Amino acid sequence: KNEVEQSPQNLTAQEGEFITINCSYSVGISALHWLQQHPGGGIVSLFMLSSGKKKHGRLIATINIQEKHSSLHITASHPRDSAVYICAVEGNDMRFGAGTRLTVKP
Amino acid sequence: KAGVTQTPRYLIKTRGQQVTLSCSPISGHRSVSWYQQTPGQGLQFLFEYFSETQRNKGNFPGRFSGRQFSNSRSEMNVSTLELGDSALYLCASSLGTGGPYEQYFGPGTRLTVT
Repeated sequence: KNEVEQSPQNLTAQEGEFITINCSYSVGISALHWLQQHPGGGIVSLFMLSSGKKKHGRLIATINIQEKHSSLHITASHPRDSAVYICAVEGNDMRFGAGTRLTVKP
Repeated sequence: KAGVTQTPRYLIKTRGQQVTLSCSPISGHRSVSWYQQTPGQGLQFLFEYFSETQRNKGNFPGRFSGRQFSNSRSEMNVSTLELGDSALYLCASSLGTGGPYEQYFGPGTRLTVT
C-alpha cells in the first residue's frame, strides 16, 4: 500500500462545478503540500498545510491530522484549472501521491 | 525575484554515459532538493542539500549523486546511465531545512537515455 493515496486518479468536470480531490497518508508528517503540474512539467506549489484550512482565490485546502487526510477543493472550476494535482507529505523527506488528472470542459 | 532555473532543459544520452544536471535556486534559498518523475513511478525524492551538505537521500542507487556549492547552486550527476533513468528531473529550492518550508520548483530537465 502506498504511503500517500490520492483519489480520484482522473476527474472530468464541467466549467463551474465544485471539485474535490482527496489525499490520505499513513506516515508521520510535518506538513502536507498540494502541487499543480501543467503539461510540459512545471510544478507550482499551491498550499503547504500543517493544520486546519487555507484558502487562495477559488482554491481551498484542508487537513485533518488525526485522520491523516487532506482535501483540495476548487470552487467554480474553469478550463484553466485543467492540470495534474499532486499531494505530497513532508517528513524526513517528501513522499508523493500518484496525482489526480483534472480536465475541466467549457 | 528570479525563479529556480535548471539547465539543460532537454538532454539525450546513450546507455553507459554519465550526465550532470544543474539547478540554481531562488536568491536567498539555501536548500535544494532533487526529484525524479517517471510515468511509472511518479515523483520520487532523490536528495536534499543544505549549506553544501547532503541532508537526506532517497532510495536510489549510488550512480545518483549530487553536490551543492557555496552559492547554493546544486548539481546532480548520474553515472553509467540506464534506459530506466529516462525521466523528468526536477529541483526545488526553499529557505531552509528541517522545515516545513514551501518549495519552489524549477522547470525540470527532461533526460532521454537511448
